Amino acid sequence: DSGVTQTPKHLITATGQRVTLRCSPRSGDLSVYWYQQSLDQGLQFLIHYYNGEERAKGNILERFSAQQFPDLHSELNLSSLELGDSALYFCASSVEGGGSPLHFGNGTRLTVT
Amino acid sequence: AQSVTQLDSQVPVFEEAPVELRCNYSSSVSVYLFWYVQYPNQGLQLLLKYLSGSTLVKGINGFEAEFNKSQTSFHLRKPSVHISDTAEYFCAVSDYGGATNKLIFGTGTLLAVQP
Repeated sequence: DSGVTQTPKHLITATGQRVTLRCSPRSGDLSVYWYQQSLDQGLQFLIHYYNGEERAKGNILERFSAQQFPDLHSELNLSSLELGDSALYFCASSVEGGGSPLHFGNGTRLTVT
Repeated sequence: AQSVTQLDSQVPVFEEAPVELRCNYSSSVSVYLFWYVQYPNQGLQLLLKYLSGSTLVKGINGFEAEFNKSQTSFHLRKPSVHISDTAEYFCAVSDYGGATNKLIFGTGTLLAVQP
């Protein structure tokens, strides 16, 4: 158990809808990262938050947004969903410091029909 | 931009045989290197990491990796594999001294251990 909690585990929704994925980091970790894993794109970095502030942005679509709250949990919002958004979405957390490894949750599997 | 190449998408191997999973990264500057393992329907678990110092790094489950700066490689090895090692293995890189510890992953190598 990595200590990173993601909910829900599975999500099935229709095209055009909006969903929210939630992540609670390990105790003491101030950084939260979001990744998307799909068969055609592999593991893609989406965004990194540190203590409530955005630190780095990757290949995140404009239809997607994220935030980190004062209690350090994070939410990834996906809107105007398309079939191609179906994927496994991972959250990871880490402590500050160069080379600190990321600790991953078990992911949320999103299916858009 | 950083990138990671895992040349082998799948590596079949018999139980108790040795295995090497290859990883090359593109960078002329210092980096941090990692190997993660993903079992079916699970998240990624850290196997080992190279930050600095000794180029031979030992990890969990009997795995080790060797950092080779001149060849920009970080190959993963295990002298004797078990059926339970069947999983997807990902090599990843992060910037040295950057503002973020974000990881750039390779495309993964499926290690298929056969009895």
